[in-house]
Amino acid sequence: NAGVTQTPKFQVLKTGQSMTLQCAQDMNHNSMYWYRQDPGMGLRLIYYSASEGTTDKGEVPNGYNVSRLNKREFSLRLESAAPSQTSVYFCATQGAETQYFGPGTRLLVL
Amino acid sequence: AQSVTQPDIHITVSEGASLELRCNYSYGATPYLFWYVQSPGQGLQLLLKYFSGDTLVQGIKGFEAEFKRSQSSFNLRKPSVHWSDAAEYFCAVDGNYGQNFVFGPGTRLSVLP
Repeated sequence: NAGVTQTPKFQVLKTGQSMTLQCAQDMNHNSMYWYRQDPGMGLRLIYYSASEGTTDKGEVPNGYNVSRLNKREFSLRLESAAPSQTSVYFCATQGAETQYFGPGTRLLVL
Repeated sequence: AQSVTQPDIHITVSEGASLELRCNYSYGATPYLFWYVQSPGQGLQLLLKYFSGDTLVQGIKGFEAEFKRSQSSFNLRKPSVHWSDAAEYFCAVDGNYGQNFVFGPGTRLSVLP
């Protein structure tokens, strides 16, 4: 089992460009999450999806959109990237007892 | 709203020394409590968790944590630190079965040879 996978691993964007971060899981979990990690701030929840077909905003949703394509996949889209969105992005799934994290996507917006 | 504080941003210990990382939380009831570790450039790995019962919980890599309700704390300990323990450690609470997972800001651990 791959667990939680994320693509790409690293991306550089110019301000105003768009991109989609992909996340997939093979753990058959219903709930999936997108976090961003910034120095000194821990992880902050951007969006989550409790089940296929549903999405909800987290703590810092502005500037992002999400799609829960099916049970396996949960994508995060930046429509018009800004330097403030430079961060490391983690996807996670909710198991019976805790969350499982992907390896992260490092995004730099110039 | 629940919150998590980790008072120490950065801790440095010598290899073989004992370690305690502090975590305090604010929540109306007793939440589920977690410690995660993140090595440089990696994702987060669960070290241990507390749901209920015995307040001293054992985790992987020789770590343990003690839940103290009166102090709203869940401190992480290890009797003898190894160089490979150098990483960032995150305390987290979950008050709603994953729908309210909140992380602390993290404590970076450096280990001197």
